Amino acid sequence: SYELTQPPSVSVSPGQTARITCSGDALPKQYAYWYQQKPGQAPVLVIYKDSERPSGIPERFSGSSSGTTVTLTISGVQAEDEADYYCQSADSSGRVFGGGTKLTVL
Amino acid sequence: EVQLVESGGGLVQPGRSLRLSCAASGFTFDDYAMHWVRQAPGKGLEWVSGISWNSGSIGYADSVKGRFTISRDNAKNSLYLQMNSLRAEDTALYYCAKDWGESIAVANYFDYWGQGTLVTVSS
Repeated sequence: SYELTQPPSVSVSPGQTARITCSGDALPKQYAYWYQQKPGQAPVLVIYKDSERPSGIPERFSGSSSGTTVTLTISGVQAEDEADYYCQSADSSGRVFGGGTKLTVL
Repeated sequence: EVQLVESGGGLVQPGRSLRLSCAASGFTFDDYAMHWVRQAPGKGLEWVSGISWNSGSIGYADSVKGRFTISRDNAKNSLYLQMNSLRAEDTALYYCAKDWGESIAVANYFDYWGQGTLVTVSS
């Protein structure tokens, strides 16, 4: 079955830029989406269709795509951004999530 | 306000069955595809199953195919997941999630989630 690969963890200091990647063979043909999940909470969509930002999501969150890799970028990271981040796309049988990346704000 | 409220979770022995329900409100339920997504303790998200707006298209993860059955009742604004032959590895928090669109065939996203219902499979 189709897989999306994310790094298990990313660490940055407050104010720096965090980049979280997600790789998958079908990403050039399928949109990717990004979710933020904080402990004890349901996931929240932060990026859709590779690079679109839903209303209410801070401008510091952005997304990009290049070939088989999509990237979630958080500029000027704040302490409140510490969370797990998941990419999501689809294959022929349904939806697929990446394994998740824990963002630690040092 | 969109609300998704899951119920039906609990402790169940391996090999037994359980039926989860999701009550939806705040949107036109029969306009959208719906899904179940699970998260094992301390682990990542796993898509389990999805159903199109009219039940015409249904999909399952390989890990549950043949054991789980998704269904919906548009008259009752409700989504269901019948889980049979449960295994220890099915232990997870099960989320009901609304699709942005009406079909599961399109790579859409989940725009609303419930708070989940916990299923524990153990003897």
